[in-house]
Amino acid sequence: DVKVTQSSRYLVKRTGEKVFLECVQDMDHENMFWYRQDPGLGLRLIYFSYDVKMKEKGDIPEGYSVSREKKERFSLILESASTNQTSMYLCASSLGLSGSGNEQFFGPGTRLTVL
Amino acid sequence: AQSVTQLGSHVSVSEGALVLLRCNYSSSVPPYLFWYVQYPNQGLQLLLKYTSAATLVKGINGFEAEFKKSETSFHLTEPSAHMSDAAEYFCAVSENFGNEKLTFGTGTRLTIIP
Repeated sequence: DVKVTQSSRYLVKRTGEKVFLECVQDMDHENMFWYRQDPGLGLRLIYFSYDVKMKEKGDIPEGYSVSREKKERFSLILESASTNQTSMYLCASSLGLSGSGNEQFFGPGTRLTVL
Repeated sequence: AQSVTQLGSHVSVSEGALVLLRCNYSSSVPPYLFWYVQYPNQGLQLLLKYTSAATLVKGINGFEAEFKKSETSFHLTEPSAHMSDAAEYFCAVSENFGNEKLTFGTGTRLTIIP
């Protein structure tokens, strides 16, 4: 089974702190994704990566950056956390063969609270 | 640009009744379509997907969905609701080329009435 793990289930940070959210997948997937989930808004894509050191902005990249130094690990960085970044963050991965309809596999999520 | 509309943010059905969750999509190319389920305090789990083969797709836990191109719909059904079906359901669309990005709907929370 594909397994996507996230470093923390719950995280509480203060405004202005630098925050790192880590995601690891164990199935050699090419693509990795970071979403935030808010009530009534569904999942919105922050960033995705289709290869090591490659990244593309999603729909809501402002205030976030990412890092992918190894194929299995994709980090989301909040350079200076703000209260409007309080949310559930979900990481996902997919195989990466274009046009093949591969599904994304999700981690359990990190619920981040910024005070 | 692709988009997904899920009608009804909350749906309640009685145990044993038919479950119908609605999803309409917009895509400039033939799409791939997905239904995911999220149980409380968990990530998303794939229920089923349509990838241009059979238009009626069967998934896990007795769920199925029918792709109707003329209606741009991909509604999810289950003939007989179980208490364990209580969860949030997300419809998503992906264009059948490119980098497997998904565009999600806003979700439908399903409540089962005993």
